[in-house]
Amino acid sequence: GQQVMQIPQYQHVQEGEDFTTYCNSSTTLSNIQWYKQRPGGHPVFLIQLVKSGEVKKQKRLTFQFGEAKKNSSLHITATQTTDVGTYFCAGLLAGGTSYGKLTFGQGTILTVHP
Amino acid sequence: ETGVTQSPTHLIKTRGQQVTLRCSSQSGHNTVSWYQQALGQGPQFIFQYYREEENGRGNFPPRFSGLQFPNYSSELNVNALELDDSALYLCASSPQRGTEAFFGQGTRLTVV
Repeated sequence: GQQVMQIPQYQHVQEGEDFTTYCNSSTTLSNIQWYKQRPGGHPVFLIQLVKSGEVKKQKRLTFQFGEAKKNSSLHITATQTTDVGTYFCAGLLAGGTSYGKLTFGQGTILTVHP
Repeated sequence: ETGVTQSPTHLIKTRGQQVTLRCSSQSGHNTVSWYQQALGQGPQFIFQYYREEENGRGNFPPRFSGLQFPNYSSELNVNALELDDSALYLCASSPQRGTEAFFGQGTRLTVV
Protein backbone atom coordinates (compact mmCIF):
# COMPACT_ATOMS: atom_id res chain seq x y z
CA GLY A 1 0.00 0.00 0.00
CA GLN A 2 0.89 3.64 -0.13
CA GLN A 3 3.62 4.79 2.23
CA VAL A 4 4.69 8.27 3.17
CA MET A 5 8.10 8.65 4.76
CA GLN A 6 9.20 11.79 6.54
CA ILE A 7 12.66 12.82 7.70
CA PRO A 8 14.16 13.72 10.04
CA GLN A 9 12.21 12.26 12.94
CA TYR A 10 13.57 14.88 15.32
CA GLN A 11 15.15 18.29 14.83
CA HIS A 12 16.59 20.47 17.57
CA VAL A 13 17.48 24.03 16.58
CA GLN A 14 18.48 27.26 18.24
CA GLU A 15 16.01 30.08 17.87
CA GLY A 16 16.80 31.93 14.67
CA GLU A 17 18.13 28.89 12.81
CA ASP A 18 16.37 27.44 9.80
CA PHE A 19 14.51 24.12 9.71
CA THR A 20 13.55 21.75 6.91
CA THR A 21 11.52 18.55 6.89
CA TYR A 22 11.23 16.25 3.88
CA CYS A 23 8.43 13.98 2.78
CA ASN A 24 8.53 11.14 0.24
CA SER A 25 5.64 9.06 -1.07
CA SER A 26 5.91 5.60 -2.61
CA THR A 27 3.19 6.57 -5.12
CA THR A 28 2.27 9.64 -7.14
CA LEU A 29 -0.05 11.93 -5.24
CA SER A 30 -3.06 14.01 -6.18
CA ASN A 31 -2.09 16.55 -3.59
CA ILE A 32 -0.07 16.86 -0.42
CA GLN A 33 -1.11 18.60 2.75
CA TRP A 34 0.92 19.80 5.73
CA TYR A 35 -0.25 19.89 9.31
CA LYS A 36 1.20 21.08 12.60
CA GLN A 37 0.43 19.44 15.92
CA ARG A 38 1.43 21.14 19.14
CA PRO A 39 2.23 18.91 22.14
CA GLY A 40 -1.06 17.64 23.57
CA GLY A 41 -3.01 19.13 20.69
CA HIS A 42 -4.56 18.05 17.45
CA PRO A 43 -3.28 18.43 13.87
CA VAL A 44 -3.93 21.86 12.39
CA PHE A 45 -4.02 22.32 8.62
CA LEU A 46 -1.26 24.52 7.22
CA ILE A 47 -1.43 24.22 3.45
CA GLN A 48 -2.32 22.08 0.46
CA LEU A 49 -0.16 21.71 -2.65
CA VAL A 50 -1.73 20.40 -5.84
CA LYS A 51 0.40 21.24 -8.86
CA SER A 52 3.67 19.63 -9.90
CA GLY A 53 6.58 21.85 -8.83
CA GLU A 54 4.32 24.13 -6.80
CA VAL A 55 5.90 26.45 -4.24
CA LYS A 56 3.83 28.29 -1.64
CA LYS A 57 4.90 30.65 1.12
CA GLN A 58 3.27 31.57 4.38
CA LYS A 59 5.37 34.23 6.12
CA ARG A 60 8.49 32.30 7.25
CA LEU A 61 7.23 28.94 5.94
CA THR A 62 7.97 27.72 2.41
CA PHE A 63 6.31 24.60 1.02
CA GLN A 64 7.38 22.77 -2.12
CA PHE A 65 5.81 19.93 -4.13
CA GLY A 66 8.14 17.91 -6.31
CA GLU A 67 7.93 17.72 -10.07
CA ALA A 68 6.93 14.06 -9.94
CA LYS A 69 4.35 14.77 -7.22
CA LYS A 70 5.98 12.18 -4.97
CA ASN A 71 7.94 14.40 -2.61
CA SER A 72 7.54 17.60 -0.69
CA SER A 73 9.35 19.80 1.78
CA LEU A 74 8.60 22.38 4.42
CA HIS A 75 11.22 25.00 5.23
CA ILE A 76 10.99 27.41 8.13
CA THR A 77 13.28 30.43 8.08
CA ALA A 78 14.54 31.89 11.35
CA THR A 79 12.66 29.62 13.71
CA GLN A 80 10.86 31.00 16.74
CA THR A 81 9.79 29.26 19.94
CA THR A 82 6.21 29.37 18.67
CA ASP A 83 7.24 26.98 15.85
CA VAL A 84 7.64 24.12 18.33
CA GLY A 85 5.54 21.08 17.49
CA THR A 86 5.30 18.08 15.17
CA TYR A 87 5.00 18.75 11.46
CA PHE A 88 3.21 16.14 9.38
CA CYS A 89 2.89 15.77 5.68
CA ALA A 90 -0.14 13.88 4.40
CA GLY A 91 -0.56 12.60 0.88
CA LEU A 92 -3.81 12.14 -0.98
CA LEU A 93 -4.26 9.66 -3.83
CA ALA A 94 -6.53 10.55 -6.72
CA GLY A 95 -9.73 8.66 -7.37
CA GLY A 96 -10.48 4.98 -6.90
CA THR A 97 -11.35 3.38 -3.61
CA SER A 98 -8.62 5.34 -1.83
CA TYR A 99 -10.15 8.71 -2.67
CA GLY A 100 -10.18 10.93 0.36
CA LYS A 101 -7.71 8.75 2.29
CA LEU A 102 -4.97 10.93 3.69
CA THR A 103 -1.77 8.99 4.37
CA PHE A 104 0.29 10.75 7.02
CA GLY A 105 4.02 10.60 7.45
CA GLN A 106 5.36 9.84 10.92
CA GLY A 107 6.11 13.49 11.49
CA THR A 108 9.12 15.61 12.39
CA ILE A 109 9.29 16.83 15.97
CA LEU A 110 10.76 20.32 16.08
CA THR A 111 12.28 21.67 19.27
CA VAL A 112 13.44 25.29 19.35
CA HIS A 113 15.88 26.38 22.06
CA PRO A 114 15.68 30.08 23.00
CA GLU B 1 -18.43 29.16 12.74
CA THR B 2 -18.38 26.09 15.00
CA GLY B 3 -15.33 23.87 14.71
CA VAL B 4 -15.12 20.09 14.96
CA THR B 5 -16.05 18.80 18.38
CA GLN B 6 -15.54 15.31 19.76
CA SER B 7 -16.87 13.55 22.82
CA PRO B 8 -15.83 12.30 25.21
CA THR B 9 -12.33 13.75 25.57
CA HIS B 10 -11.04 10.84 27.64
CA LEU B 11 -12.29 7.30 28.12
CA ILE B 12 -11.09 4.19 29.92
CA LYS B 13 -12.46 0.82 28.84
CA THR B 14 -11.76 -2.80 29.66
CA ARG B 15 -10.52 -5.27 27.08
CA GLY B 16 -13.44 -6.90 25.27
CA GLN B 17 -15.81 -4.00 25.81
CA GLN B 18 -17.37 -1.84 23.12
CA VAL B 19 -17.02 1.92 22.72
CA THR B 20 -18.75 4.67 20.75
CA LEU B 21 -17.02 7.96 20.01
CA ARG B 22 -18.88 10.97 18.65
CA CYS B 23 -18.00 13.83 16.37
CA SER B 24 -19.80 16.97 15.26
CA SER B 25 -18.42 18.23 12.00
CA GLN B 26 -17.77 21.84 11.14
CA SER B 27 -20.74 23.70 9.73
CA GLY B 28 -21.07 23.20 5.98
CA HIS B 29 -18.76 20.17 5.84
CA ASN B 30 -20.23 17.00 4.33
CA THR B 31 -17.20 14.73 4.70
CA VAL B 32 -15.97 13.19 7.94
CA SER B 33 -12.88 11.05 8.43
CA TRP B 34 -11.67 9.15 11.46
CA TYR B 35 -8.04 8.57 12.37
CA GLN B 36 -6.20 6.64 15.03
CA GLN B 37 -3.03 8.21 16.38
CA ALA B 38 -0.75 6.09 18.56
CA LEU B 39 1.78 7.88 20.74
CA GLY B 40 4.64 9.27 18.68
CA GLN B 41 3.06 8.29 15.36
CA GLY B 42 1.20 10.04 12.59
CA PRO B 43 -2.58 9.68 12.34
CA GLN B 44 -3.69 6.45 10.62
CA PHE B 45 -6.77 6.62 8.40
CA ILE B 46 -9.63 4.44 9.64
CA PHE B 47 -12.43 5.41 7.26
CA GLN B 48 -14.26 8.31 5.68
CA TYR B 49 -17.94 9.10 5.33
CA TYR B 50 -19.41 11.26 2.61
CA ARG B 51 -23.12 12.05 2.60
CA GLU B 52 -23.84 9.25 5.05
CA GLU B 53 -22.00 6.52 3.14
CA GLU B 54 -18.59 5.00 3.79
CA ASN B 55 -16.30 6.41 1.14
CA GLY B 56 -13.00 4.69 1.86
CA ARG B 57 -11.42 2.52 4.49
CA GLY B 58 -7.93 2.03 5.85
CA ASN B 59 -6.34 -1.17 7.16
CA PHE B 60 -8.58 -1.62 10.17
CA PRO B 61 -10.60 -4.75 11.02
CA PRO B 62 -14.41 -4.86 10.73
CA ARG B 63 -14.81 -4.36 14.46
CA PHE B 64 -14.14 -0.70 13.66
CA SER B 65 -17.36 0.67 12.22
CA GLY B 66 -18.97 4.02 11.79
CA LEU B 67 -21.99 6.07 10.92
CA GLN B 68 -22.66 9.49 9.51
CA PHE B 69 -25.98 11.17 10.21
CA PRO B 70 -28.05 13.53 8.04
CA ASN B 71 -26.61 16.52 9.90
CA TYR B 72 -23.14 15.16 8.98
CA SER B 73 -22.19 14.34 12.55
CA SER B 74 -20.55 10.94 12.94
CA GLU B 75 -19.86 8.04 15.27
CA LEU B 76 -16.98 5.62 15.50
CA ASN B 77 -17.77 2.26 17.09
CA VAL B 78 -15.14 -0.22 18.17
CA ASN B 79 -16.18 -3.69 19.31
CA ALA B 80 -14.18 -6.24 21.28
CA LEU B 81 -11.61 -3.73 22.43
CA GLU B 82 -7.98 -4.81 22.52
CA LEU B 83 -5.10 -3.28 24.46
CA ASP B 84 -3.56 -2.04 21.19
CA ASP B 85 -6.66 0.05 20.54
CA SER B 86 -5.39 2.51 23.15
CA ALA B 87 -4.73 5.70 21.20
CA LEU B 88 -5.94 9.18 20.39
CA TYR B 89 -8.93 8.99 18.03
CA LEU B 90 -9.28 12.00 15.80
CA CYS B 91 -12.24 13.08 13.77
CA ALA B 92 -11.76 15.47 10.87
CA SER B 93 -14.30 17.17 8.66
CA SER B 94 -13.71 18.57 5.20
CA PRO B 95 -15.79 20.90 3.03
CA GLN B 96 -15.36 18.44 0.15
CA ARG B 97 -13.65 15.09 -0.36
CA GLY B 98 -9.95 15.51 -1.00
CA THR B 99 -9.67 18.95 0.55
CA GLU B 100 -8.13 20.12 3.79
CA ALA B 101 -9.14 18.34 6.98
CA PHE B 102 -10.17 20.20 10.12
CA PHE B 103 -9.50 18.06 13.16
CA GLY B 104 -11.29 17.90 16.47
CA GLN B 105 -9.38 17.78 19.72
CA GLY B 106 -9.61 13.99 19.79
CA THR B 107 -10.74 11.31 22.23
CA ARG B 108 -8.02 9.67 24.28
CA LEU B 109 -9.02 6.01 24.65
CA THR B 110 -7.25 3.78 27.14
CA VAL B 111 -7.98 0.06 27.12
CA VAL B 112 -6.97 -1.82 30.27
